Amino acid sequence: DQQVKQNSPSLSVQEGRISILNCDYTNSMFDYFLWYKKYPAEGPTFLISISSIKDKNEDGRFTVFLNKSAKHLSLHIVPSQPGDSAVYFCAASASSGGKLIFGQGTELSVKP
Amino acid sequence: DVKVTQSSRYLVKRTGEKVFLECVQDMDHENMFWYRQDPGLGLRLIYFSYDVKMKEKGDIPEGYSVSREKKERFSLILESASTNQTSMYLCASMVKGYGYTFGSGTRLTVV
Repeated sequence: DQQVKQNSPSLSVQEGRISILNCDYTNSMFDYFLWYKKYPAEGPTFLISISSIKDKNEDGRFTVFLNKSAKHLSLHIVPSQPGDSAVYFCAASASSGGKLIFGQGTELSVKP
Repeated sequence: DVKVTQSSRYLVKRTGEKVFLECVQDMDHENMFWYRQDPGLGLRLIYFSYDVKMKEKGDIPEGYSVSREKKERFSLILESASTNQTSMYLCASMVKGYGYTFGSGTRLTVV
């Protein structure tokens, strides 16, 4: 049973445009959400997080939105750059100190 | 910065071999995790540990075991490697409230 789902395996965006990556979850106990970025042959690196008490968190070009009623979160990258091309994983946990459950990942390709 | 080191980047092993994947972190973190990454399946939790000599099964523990004799080291053991264990293996450590720090991964091929 996939508790965290990323339904788009891939996304292609033009440089300078907005990239929107989506993630859905089923477990209402999740209250902490993170996005990780992964390049080939490297481990994932933390990008941005949000707790369930917020509906938006922004860090530079990256913004994460949380819609608790819909059990949906999204990552916006504006403007997209070729260096953003990577696999993005959404993750969730039932507390900030708990184990993370990951989605399947979305491979973002930003074309010059 | 926290450093999580996985001893091998690439490994090729034969079916039936016993395989050890080592992971070391340098920040005295209590929590450590082993995941495997497969295309279309994302990262799946194999085992985790909240303290020395403590371990808990994740979502896919079958065919694996772990060892945590010292706080900084968390080892994943494939008792008898099989071809369906060919994967990218990722170790992570965590301090509460700050998410995971991952190692660079070990690409294991079982032939």
